[in-house]
Amino acid sequence: NAGVMQNPRHLVRRRGQEARLRCSPMKGHSHVYWYRQLPEEGLKFMVYLQKENIIDESGMPKERFSAEFPKEGPSILRIQQVVRGDSAAYFCASSPGTDNSPLHFGNGTRLTVT
Amino acid sequence: GEDVEQSLFLSVREGDSSVINCTYTDSSSTYLYWYKQEPGAGLQLLTYIFSNMDMKQDQRLTVLLNKKDKHLSLRIADTQTGDSAIYFCAERSGGYNKLIFGAGTRLAVHP
Repeated sequence: NAGVMQNPRHLVRRRGQEARLRCSPMKGHSHVYWYRQLPEEGLKFMVYLQKENIIDESGMPKERFSAEFPKEGPSILRIQQVVRGDSAAYFCASSPGTDNSPLHFGNGTRLTVT
Repeated sequence: GEDVEQSLFLSVREGDSSVINCTYTDSSSTYLYWYKQEPGAGLQLLTYIFSNMDMKQDQRLTVLLNKKDKHLSLRIADTQTGDSAIYFCAERSGGYNKLIFGAGTRLAVHP
């Protein structure tokens, strides 16, 4: 009964490279959320996706960031041309639907941009 | 706008009770949550309360909600060293899980 799985756990990228973060939701969950945690801060909402649909991307930076949740496979958060300010922990969470079920979080991907 | 505030640090002696406080601004919040984060780990859901409730108890955890003052608290009875972590308060006001988090309260438990 695996929880939310994220990989990699740690990712180091040089400035200008691309970062791809993966998230497999809990079994039976079709709703995925991405949050970002900057050092010493709380989590900030980035994007909410259902299978093949972006429902709310109001927390995503306008440029360089994109997210997808294809029909098959994990959800991907993609950051192009990374900068030092992108260094953070990125958490994925999932829920069964828009009911009252709370979010279950993965252990996060810690991105370091050098 | 929406905002959630918490005190940043709390130190307690092992065996004492801990009370972590949180205030929020969105009066339309439907659910309020407490999550625990240990170093290098993700967020573990501890408990949550629906906005029409005043109190919820779950073993050593007691959540109190004062909706009029928009104040939420988490009480941990008989605090243990394993309770040392960062505790996040979060609110949900929409129809889905777009949560607004506080900055977290770092709980330190000492002998």
